[in-house]
Amino acid sequence: DTAVSQTPKYLVTQMGNDKSIKCEQNLGHDTMYWYKQDSKKFLKIMFSYNNKELIINETVPNRFSPKSPDKAHLNLHINSLELGDSAVYFCASSQNLAGGLGEQYFGPGTRLTVT
Amino acid sequence: DAKTTQPPSMDCAEGRAANLPCNHSTISGNEYVYWYRQIHSQGPQYIIHGLKNNETNEMASLIITEDRKSSTLILPHATLRDTAVYYCIVINAGNMLTFGGGTRLMVKP
Repeated sequence: DTAVSQTPKYLVTQMGNDKSIKCEQNLGHDTMYWYKQDSKKFLKIMFSYNNKELIINETVPNRFSPKSPDKAHLNLHINSLELGDSAVYFCASSQNLAGGLGEQYFGPGTRLTVT
Repeated sequence: DAKTTQPPSMDCAEGRAANLPCNHSTISGNEYVYWYRQIHSQGPQYIIHGLKNNETNEMASLIITEDRKSSTLILPHATLRDTAVYYCIVINAGNMLTFGGGTRLMVKP
């Protein structure tokens, strides 16, 4: 069983389109995340979300929005896609422990290419 | 901005111990040191974490200096499958991991 899964694995689309990437975790974790890894391989946090709080990295454009239908899912919606959005997007989850710390489990990534 | 400094790359012979250093001189008293790795084209994988004491699990050992300003991740018997980018991360209270450039470890036969 895959702990954190993402769909699709690859996504090719044109500028200006709106797209979504889905993420599901079967670990019973409380918190989920989205990361972006650009062509230079730098991995940056975009969002941290649990049922109480959404924390947004201030550098993320508001064209990006996380949506969580339930605790096990955190989907990423992207509006008006731009060339610079091309990257690999990783979903992750963790269990909230005392002090808010915990190891994160990452999905396999979604490679988004905007043409 | 990452709070850690790591060498960009290292080589290690297969079967030998791989010692990956990390400097985190500005670490706060309540901040943990986490290590992750990313094998090519895969999602990052948790390895180990610690606060003050040295830690060991089935994957690796983590040695943290007494002043907590640096640490070393030790892979006791490196294999070719350990070739990856290794990230040392000092985690803040908000549980937001901030990845730096990491160390690209190449395990050679």
